[in-house]
Amino acid sequence: KNEVEQSPQNLTAQEGEFITINCSYSVGISALHWLQQHPGGGIVSLFMLSSGKKKHGRLIATINIQEKHSSLHITASHPRDSAVYICAQRSYFGNEKLTFGTGTRLTIIP
Amino acid sequence: KAGVTQTPRYLIKTRGQQVTLSCSPISGHRSVSWYQQTPGQGLQFLFEYFSETQRNKGNFPGRFSGRQFSNSRSEMNVSTLELGDSALYLCASSGRGEYEQYFGPGTRLTVT
Repeated sequence: KNEVEQSPQNLTAQEGEFITINCSYSVGISALHWLQQHPGGGIVSLFMLSSGKKKHGRLIATINIQEKHSSLHITASHPRDSAVYICAQRSYFGNEKLTFGTGTRLTIIP
Repeated sequence: KAGVTQTPRYLIKTRGQQVTLSCSPISGHRSVSWYQQTPGQGLQFLFEYFSETQRNKGNFPGRFSGRQFSNSRSEMNVSTLELGDSALYLCASSGRGEYEQYFGPGTRLTVT
């Protein structure tokens, strides 16, 4: 069982829709990362958070430490948002390596 | 500032050969991490180097090794290549005291 679970695995939506991607993790963390990967492989770090909420443009990330759950929201989605979104936990205890979720493939249809 | 660069971008090798991949971090960044991405296993942490020392290591066999030079550039080496080593290898750098990771474009390795 993966320590980091994402849902849904695949998501197709119409342009303009509000998008939510969920991430659950199993251990105490020092940080939770949200990453975006476009076709071709390049990865961009979207957010790194350890509490509360962060916003950047149309993207919002929230985290609930007690429930070990984080969400990534995209408002007014656009076809250029089509990508794979990956969450990753940085464990608090011991070896602080990143452990990744399996990713959510988002497709926004014009 | 220039971003993280990786060379080569694409590589084809034969089973049993060895390969060396290179990563140049963002100027001033001293931490370099390496990741493997495959369709079956997703993204997995290989190792992290900081100031020429391996600081963390993932669960990969000893065929996977790395090093970091005094200018923070890093190399990873895979010996005795197997078909399953075909993957996208990504490196990421971070600055002093930072957890934020800046990823390179990756090296796509195909083992035939």
